[in-house]
Amino acid sequence: QKEVEQDPGPLSVPEGAIVSLNCTYSNSAFQYFMWYRQYSRKGPELLMYTYSSGNKEDGRFTAQVDKSSKYISLFIRDSQPSDSATYLCAMRAVGSSNTGKLIFGQGTTLQVKP
Amino acid sequence: SAVISQKPSRDICQRGTSLTIQCQVDSQVTMMFWYRQQPGQSLTLIATANQGSEATYESGFVIDKFPISRPNLTFSTLTVSNMSPEDSSIYLCSVGGDTLVYGYTFGSGTRLTVV
Repeated sequence: QKEVEQDPGPLSVPEGAIVSLNCTYSNSAFQYFMWYRQYSRKGPELLMYTYSSGNKEDGRFTAQVDKSSKYISLFIRDSQPSDSATYLCAMRAVGSSNTGKLIFGQGTTLQVKP
Repeated sequence: SAVISQKPSRDICQRGTSLTIQCQVDSQVTMMFWYRQQPGQSLTLIATANQGSEATYESGFVIDKFPISRPNLTFSTLTVSNMSPEDSSIYLCSVGGDTLVYGYTFGSGTRLTVV
């Protein structure tokens, strides 16, 4: 079983739709949760990061972490064609086993159609 | 956040040769990492580049195949040695801040094709 599971999609939505992207994980030591956006032929770009459980909002983007269910989500409101990209979740543990290493999900490819 | 310059951006190499990828950061950073992203796949950590000491490699990656240097806090290189077509991939440099609280920054990557 992979430490982080993410549905690869592809996911296709019309412009203006609400998009929900999700990851599940198995390692209870994960405390830092991140979402990256990667455009074709570019490096990943950090979108959101969250520590432990809870919600965080930034403009059209909302990140949610439910540690009890080992489940994280990224919501995109009023999706735009420019949001078309691959979205990767990433996680990091803390404590004695922490090496600063990020564990990535497989990435979900999103296409927003005009 | 730090700005990363990664070179070359792409290369086509012959089987059996080696390629060295450079990662230059515009500020001193504690942690530098090298990732591989195979076509259609997610990112896999190759190693953590440690300043002044040997890199820490992940399972499945060895120093003879992927030697890494980090002479200071702003620069690192990754060499892909004795290449085969299976090494065709995107190689990414990443850096993290001292607090390790914030998400890490990535370079734009090196797209390597081995023929």
